[in-house]
Amino acid sequence: EAEVAQSPRYKITEKSQAVAFWCDPISGHATLYWYRQILGQGPELLVQFQDESVVDDSQLPKDRFSAERLKGVDSTLKIQPAELGDSAMYLCASSPQGDTQYFGPGTRLTVL
Amino acid sequence: GQQVMQIPQYQHVQEGEDFTTYCNSSTTLSNIQWYKQRPGGHPVFLIQLVKSGEVKKQKRLTFQFGEAKKNSSLHITATQTTDVGTYFCAGVIQAGTALIFGKGTTLSVSS
Repeated sequence: EAEVAQSPRYKITEKSQAVAFWCDPISGHATLYWYRQILGQGPELLVQFQDESVVDDSQLPKDRFSAERLKGVDSTLKIQPAELGDSAMYLCASSPQGDTQYFGPGTRLTVL
Repeated sequence: GQQVMQIPQYQHVQEGEDFTTYCNSSTTLSNIQWYKQRPGGHPVFLIQLVKSGEVKKQKRLTFQFGEAKKNSSLHITATQTTDVGTYFCAGVIQAGTALIFGKGTTLSVSS
């Protein structure tokens, strides 16, 4: 069964450093989402792509976060500089029609 | 902004007891989805409800969508230790837009 791939699974960094996360959605899924999940909370949307275009990035802290999906397939989420409050699980999800979403295993970020 | 509220936040039951979690939206939803997240894992899709008043069953799990399409519930009959995890409801206001997750209900089951 096809799955969403994410790497790395774990990342520890110091504040003010740059970090990047990668996501490879299920083949053929046009819609890709990045979520942030703080411990004890539900996932919160950071950015949504439809193919290579950003559909919704209203909750993305654009002063430090950026996301791209250049060829409409895999995607990268970057944080620069990282802050202590960015420690969380970063989840990528994909969807064939923008409906049911399939989540990857996530990247757990710890900022020291 | 739009919110999805979920209660209770935590529930502990003895194995064999029933469990219910409730979800309420401040806005009428296009559909509502339920996900389960095991400790240390990622959300896994359980089901999607689209129609007003819809009821769907998956073995011991029963999902309901309210008539006004603003609330939903998940009921588990005769819980088992394998049911442990956090159950999230996630509402979609307009088809194609992102999910708005509730904070989840964490279920623990003792045998």
